[in-house]
Amino acid sequence: AQTVTQSQPEMSVQEAETVTLSCTYDTSESDYYLFWYKQPPSRQMILVIRQEAYKQQNATENRFSVNFQKAAKSFSLKISDSQLGDAAMYFCAYRKIIQGAQKLVFGQGTRLTINP
Amino acid sequence: DVKVTQSSRYLVKRTGEKVFLECVQDMDHENMFWYRQDPGLGLRLIYFSYDVKMKEKGDIPEGYSVSREKKERFSLILESASTNQTSMYLCASTDQSSGSYNEQFFGPGTRLTVL
Repeated sequence: AQTVTQSQPEMSVQEAETVTLSCTYDTSESDYYLFWYKQPPSRQMILVIRQEAYKQQNATENRFSVNFQKAAKSFSLKISDSQLGDAAMYFCAYRKIIQGAQKLVFGQGTRLTINP
Repeated sequence: DVKVTQSSRYLVKRTGEKVFLECVQDMDHENMFWYRQDPGLGLRLIYFSYDVKMKEKGDIPEGYSVSREKKERFSLILESASTNQTSMYLCASTDQSSGSYNEQFFGPGTRLTVL
């Protein structure tokens, strides 16, 4: 069974600095998708970044980038130049397909605090 | 913009009550999902639906049922609410998978308290 583990329940970083959130996963599939979702306080969950396993290049979206280590089954999120608006719960997720529907398996979440 | 709405942001119910949580999406998505979110456990899938009147159990379906009579609406039903169902409930929707990735869009959540 696919599992996703986030070992850091909470992280904090000074504004303008860089922080890395960790995620490991377990799967027997060779082709899959991984995601980072952001849930700001009292706001809707939104997709931050995604990585396709067959692509060796790490995905990047502005200040957000991932370090995808397929052999190690590791998928960390790096946030550069942290801003106050980055404060949120961050969830790592793995996609699997059931009955043609894309099901997401989520990690436990990491609460990120930005210190001004 | 895709919009997923949920009928209530906060809900307080008593043990044994029948509870309905409603979710509506406006993008003609085939797939809809109900998750519950608990601290330290992340999001866990309760049920999902890949078409009207079609439903599949997720990882934690016990104590819940669902209804999808129209494509845009997916309801989560707690037949007899219990205190261990106090949680945040999130609805999501996405296009039918075509092999490539289709983003899941989430509603704002309903925080349910069962007393």
